[in-house]
Amino acid sequence: DTEVTQTPKHLVMGMTNKKSLKCEQHMGHRAMYWYKQKAKKPPELMFVYSYEKLSINESVPSRFSPECPNSSLLNLHLHALQPEDSALYLCASSQGTDSNQPQHFGDGTRLSIL
Amino acid sequence: KNQVEQSPQSLIILEGKNCTLQCNYTVSPFSNLRWYKQDTGRGPVSLTIMTFSENTKSNGRYTATLDADTKQSSLHITASQLSDSASYICVVSGGGSYIPTFGRGTSLIVHP
Repeated sequence: DTEVTQTPKHLVMGMTNKKSLKCEQHMGHRAMYWYKQKAKKPPELMFVYSYEKLSINESVPSRFSPECPNSSLLNLHLHALQPEDSALYLCASSQGTDSNQPQHFGDGTRLSIL
Repeated sequence: KNQVEQSPQSLIILEGKNCTLQCNYTVSPFSNLRWYKQDTGRGPVSLTIMTFSENTKSNGRYTATLDADTKQSSLHITASQLSDSASYICVVSGGGSYIPTFGRGTSLIVHP
């Protein structure tokens, strides 16, 4: 089992809905990441939190809103999404933001926008 | 621009056979290179990580090599099993950023 837990595993929502994706890790990692992955493509970085502060936002549309309530939790709030936002959303964590720190990935949330 | 190129894009082999996946990168300065295995519908799982001074690293039937001079890496899978069917992603860190650069992956299918 992965040490990074993501819920829900699957989510189907309409374009007017508001939902949240959740990510949790208890490895004491201080950096957490959100990635978006389309089929047969590599993960694309969306956000990076370091010590619970947003350090990178890769020009992600405002309909995606990240939140880091504490060092173990990372949320991604969704509102007014578009069909092209359907993808696998992966959460990852690492000890710190040093490039030698490996990222540990969760199994993702499969999101479908109707 | 930091880039990671993987080949082949996809590969089909018979169970029990060996195979080698390739990764070329332009990331500079180089920090480390990782190979991940991603099963369908799952998140990537780290197989190996290598730094500049390491040429070879093994993890069971997986052996990764690194040539930092030519900026090439390979992942060799020995005696393939059906469970090896997955996407294998090469990820390179460096280039002045702690954000790694992902390759597009090689899709491996192992047939019985």
